[in-house]
Amino acid sequence: NAGVMQNPRHLVRRRGQEARLRCSPMKGHSHVYWYRQLPEEGLKFMVYLQKENIIDESGMPKERFSAEFPKEGPSILRIQQVVRGDSAAYFCASSPGVGDEQFFGPGTRLTVL
Amino acid sequence: GENVEQHPSTLSVQEGDSAVIKCTYSDSASNYFPWYKQELGKGPQLIIDIRSNVGEKKDQRIAVTLNKTAKHFSLHITETQPEDSAVYFCAASRDNDYKLSFGAGTTVTVRA
Repeated sequence: NAGVMQNPRHLVRRRGQEARLRCSPMKGHSHVYWYRQLPEEGLKFMVYLQKENIIDESGMPKERFSAEFPKEGPSILRIQQVVRGDSAAYFCASSPGVGDEQFFGPGTRLTVL
Repeated sequence: GENVEQHPSTLSVQEGDSAVIKCTYSDSASNYFPWYKQELGKGPQLIIDIRSNVGEKKDQRIAVTLNKTAKHFSLHITETQPEDSAVYFCAASRDNDYKLSFGAGTTVTVRA
């Protein structure tokens, strides 16, 4: 049973470009969470999704950031018009049910030049 | 919201010695406290967790203690080995809540 998959592992974008981060949850998991880790800081919750639904996006910036988890395919975290402050590691986690252990992917390290 | 503070930020120990990491939290309603180990280039992995109905939990060389009155919890690693070198994160959440609040992490280095 493969773990949580994230791609790309490293992503470099110039200011103003778009970044798309993908997350495939573990088999049988329908709950996906995105966290952001800034340098020297812990992970910060961004958004919680179930298939086709955003349950809680309270940790996500109101502008430029969006997330989806379609019926088919991976969850996508999309950052439009990236700025240098978006440079961080973005982790996806999945769980079989709400409140269950969250299994983390290896992360995507975004660098904005 | 919940605020979790973690100390120290770095910890260097001799192989075979013990390592202790401490965390405090602010939300008295939190009652689930997991610890994660993050190795270089990988995502965090759960190594042990504790709920507020117990004060201590042990799993081989790893133990976690919880003081709900003082709102702090600690990770203890005994007989450290080089493979214990990693970044360790504490976290807190309310029961059945998905929103984990993480500490800033402790980089542990075990010297051979």
